[in-house]
Amino acid sequence: EPEVTQTPSHQVTQMGQEVILRCVPISNHLYFYWYRQILGQKVEFLVSFYNNEISEKSEIFDDQFSVERPDGSNFTLKIRSTKLEDSAMYFCASNSNGWEAFFGQGTRLTVV
Amino acid sequence: SQQGEEDPQALSIQEGENATMNCSYKTSINNLQWYRQNSGRGLVHLILIRSNEREKHSGRLRVTLDTSKKSSSLLITASRAADTASYFCATDALGGAQKLVFGQGTRLTINP
Repeated sequence: EPEVTQTPSHQVTQMGQEVILRCVPISNHLYFYWYRQILGQKVEFLVSFYNNEISEKSEIFDDQFSVERPDGSNFTLKIRSTKLEDSAMYFCASNSNGWEAFFGQGTRLTVV
Repeated sequence: SQQGEEDPQALSIQEGENATMNCSYKTSINNLQWYRQNSGRGLVHLILIRSNEREKHSGRLRVTLDTSKKSSSLLITASRAADTASYFCATDALGGAQKLVFGQGTRLTINP
């Protein structure tokens, strides 16, 4: 069964460093998303991406964040200068019709 | 703002019993979805119910939707130890960009 894959599963980084989280959405999907979940809290929407551009972003998604679809398969989230409060689980999701979203297993980002 | 809120926050039952979790939201929606998350893992899509549907079944899962009350329930029948997880409802706003708004979740524990 097709699935969304994310790498790495766990990333530890120094505060102020740049990180890139990678995702391979399901191949025929058109809508791509990033969400995050701070430990013990709810899942929060960061950004949606469709037709090679951002379609919506949340207040969390400030200038430190960017997304790219560099080729036909990858979808990346970059955090330019990480802060302690960026520590969270980051989930990538995709869907084909804008409805049922399929999520990856997540990348646990720890900023120290 | 649109928000899914589940209750109870935590539920502990014996194996074989039924588990009912509720979700409320604030704005008009296209769909409501339920997801399961095992501890520290990704989100697994369980079921999607459209705004014009009132009830949906999938295996041991039964979901109801009452748009007049802006609420939904998830019933898991004949629970098993493997059902132990957190359960989240997620809504997408009518006319929105398909982003999902998640509730805080219900932590379900099935005791053998």
